Amino acid sequence: AQSVTQLDSQVPVFEEAPVELRCNYSSSVSVYLFWYVQYPNQGLQLLLKYLSGSTLVKGINGFEAEFNKSQTSFHLRKPSVHISDTAEYFCAVIHSGAGSYQLTFGKGTKLSVIP
Amino acid sequence: EAGVAQSPRYKIIEKRQSVAFWCNPISGHATLYWYQQILGQGPKLLIQFQNNGVVDDSQLPKDRFSAERLKGVDSTLKIQPAKLEDSAVYLCASSLGSLAGEETQYFGPGTRLLVL
Repeated sequence: AQSVTQLDSQVPVFEEAPVELRCNYSSSVSVYLFWYVQYPNQGLQLLLKYLSGSTLVKGINGFEAEFNKSQTSFHLRKPSVHISDTAEYFCAVIHSGAGSYQLTFGKGTKLSVIP
Repeated sequence: EAGVAQSPRYKIIEKRQSVAFWCNPISGHATLYWYQQILGQGPKLLIQFQNNGVVDDSQLPKDRFSAERLKGVDSTLKIQPAKLEDSAVYLCASSLGSLAGEETQYFGPGTRLLVL
């Protein structure tokens, strides 16, 4: 069964500091990888996705992520965070060669930006 | 462009009662998903529709949960009877139509259910 591990449940960071949210997935021949953000009392919004090609993916709001096949990781980064980035972030995976295209989410990482 | 609409936003019921949630996807989106998000966890797919046909309901507890998508547009998810462990946020999402996974799923705000 496919799985996603988000290593940190909570990440506090000062405003304007850089941040990295970690995500590892169970190994597979081919995967699609996603990061979603969930603001309080709202649905999930796509930040970025990796389908193929360049391993460095740029998304909205200044976020980027790097697909690392050898380490089965897809960590999310932002060089300088804002108060408005306070939210919960979910990594998700589709194992595209498994016959099912079900999106499997990690447990989420709560990012708290401290003024 | 209007987003995915869900109602109600909040619902409190007692165990063994029944409840229904409604979802209106983005216009033109053929694929519709229902997810269950329990506190402290990521969303878990319950059921996926392509137009009005079920594509994947492998994780739907069919003894108590049911879902339908009338005319391939709106959808309802029902729980009957509800259990305490059904307390969660129920998210509806939609995408244009590909079953291959590359498409972005657009999520509604969710319905927060509390079973007492």
